[in-house]
Amino acid sequence: QVQLQQWGGSLLKPSETLSLTCVVYDGSFNDYSWSWIRQSPGKGLEWIGDINHRGDTNYTPSLKSRVAIFLDTSMKRFSLRLSSVAATDTAIYYCARRQSHWFDPWGQGALVTVSS
Amino acid sequence: QSALTQPASVSGSPGQSITISCTGTTSDIGDSNFVSWYRQHPDKAPKLIIFDVYSRPSGISNRFSGSKSGNTASLAISGLQTEDEADYYCSSYSSSAPHVIFGGGTKLTVL
Repeated sequence: QVQLQQWGGSLLKPSETLSLTCVVYDGSFNDYSWSWIRQSPGKGLEWIGDINHRGDTNYTPSLKSRVAIFLDTSMKRFSLRLSSVAATDTAIYYCARRQSHWFDPWGQGALVTVSS
Repeated sequence: QSALTQPASVSGSPGQSITISCTGTTSDIGDSNFVSWYRQHPDKAPKLIIFDVYSRPSGISNRFSGSKSGNTASLAISGLQTEDEADYYCSSYSSSAPHVIFGGGTKLTVL
C-alpha cells in the first residue's frame, strides 16, 4: 500500500524560501500526479499545485509567481519550493497522490511557521 | 473564505445518522461529478472517504455515503460511532482556476 513520507519545513523568516520533499513508498510513481496542499487556520485546505510523471505542472493562480514543484523519478520523490514567504504562508503543508480530482493518500504533514 | 460552503459544526448521538452539506456553484459542484470528501482527526492528515460524488475507497465503511443535487453535495454518516468525531471537508473540481477547491470544513461531534 502506497505511503507518502515528507520532510522539511519548520521555522522560516519572511522573504526566505520554503522547501519540502515527499517520498513515495511501495507504489507506482508514473501512473499518477503528485500534489501539495496546505492547511492554515484562517483559510482551511488550499490546493497549491501538482506535477505528473512527465514533469507537467499546474499551480493555483494566487501562488503561481512564487511556487515550483519538482520531480525526481529515479528517487520516487517530489518537492515543493515557495519563495518570498510571509506570515500568511504559515500552515501545515501536505503532499498527496492525485487521481483524477481527488487525493489519496496524504503525507503526514509538515508545519511551516513564518515569523521574524 | 472557502470556495465551497459547509456548516461549521454538526452533532449527533451514537447510532444516529447525520448529513453534512457542501454548497458550491454552477462552475463547480453543479457542473461536476468530481466531488470528494475527507475526514480529518486531530493532528492527523485528511483521509479520503468519498470520491466522484458517490464512490467509497476500499476499506471505507458503507456507513458513509455521498450524494449530489444541483449545486449542493452531501455526506451522510449512518450509525454514528465515537470514532467518527472529526473534521470533514468536501472538495470539487472547478471549471475555473484553481481547478481544485475545498470547503471550509465541518466539525462533527458525537455526543
